[in-house]
Amino acid sequence: TQLLEQSPQFLSIQEGENLTVYCNSSSVFSSLQWYRQEPGEGPVLLVTVVTGGEVKKLKRLTFQFGDARKDSSLHITAAQPGDTGLYLCAGARWSGAGSYQLTFGKGTKLSVIP
Amino acid sequence: GAGVSQSPSNKVTEKGKDVELRCDPISGHTALYWYRQSLGQGLEFLIYFQGNSAPDKSGLPSDRFSAERTGGSVSTLTIQRTQQEDSAVYLCASSDLRERDYGYTFGSGTRLTVV
Repeated sequence: TQLLEQSPQFLSIQEGENLTVYCNSSSVFSSLQWYRQEPGEGPVLLVTVVTGGEVKKLKRLTFQFGDARKDSSLHITAAQPGDTGLYLCAGARWSGAGSYQLTFGKGTKLSVIP
Repeated sequence: GAGVSQSPSNKVTEKGKDVELRCDPISGHTALYWYRQSLGQGLEFLIYFQGNSAPDKSGLPSDRFSAERTGGSVSTLTIQRTQQEDSAVYLCASSDLRERDYGYTFGSGTRLTVV
């Protein structure tokens, strides 16, 4: 069962364009995290959003958590080639056994063409 | 250390052989996770260690997979009688659950190829 759906799966845009990546679920999460992964490396945490409706900005990246804490979006303004990579969203929850776990989406592969 | 270290970075093994993958987490991080990343499949949770608690093994795909964490630090993931479908990148992550964002710090992974 895929709990987190990311869209689009692939995105190829020209340098300077804007883009939005979506992360949707039917489940409620205690928080949602966004990671960026480059080839041959592990994912690197970009941001964690915790409160429904929360908006966080990281330079040209804007992250939003849905009011119901089921979905999130990542908006990149004026994309640059250095933004190229795999963007992963991950929903966090505590299991009944006291285990803290992240469930990952399949990712959005972004290519920014100079 | 400064980051999560995994070894080996690449492993090619013959079908049916056993393999051991190692993870050195960030010093002081009590939580340690193993994930598997296959092409087009995203990250699949395997196992979670938290302090001295019993590990959460709910993600292990079969009894050929096992993991241990010694002294609350280094962890090894063992795959017995490897199969071709075990080929993937195995990622280890650690986390300090006292930090508000609970973010994971990942290692660079071990790329396992079963031939």
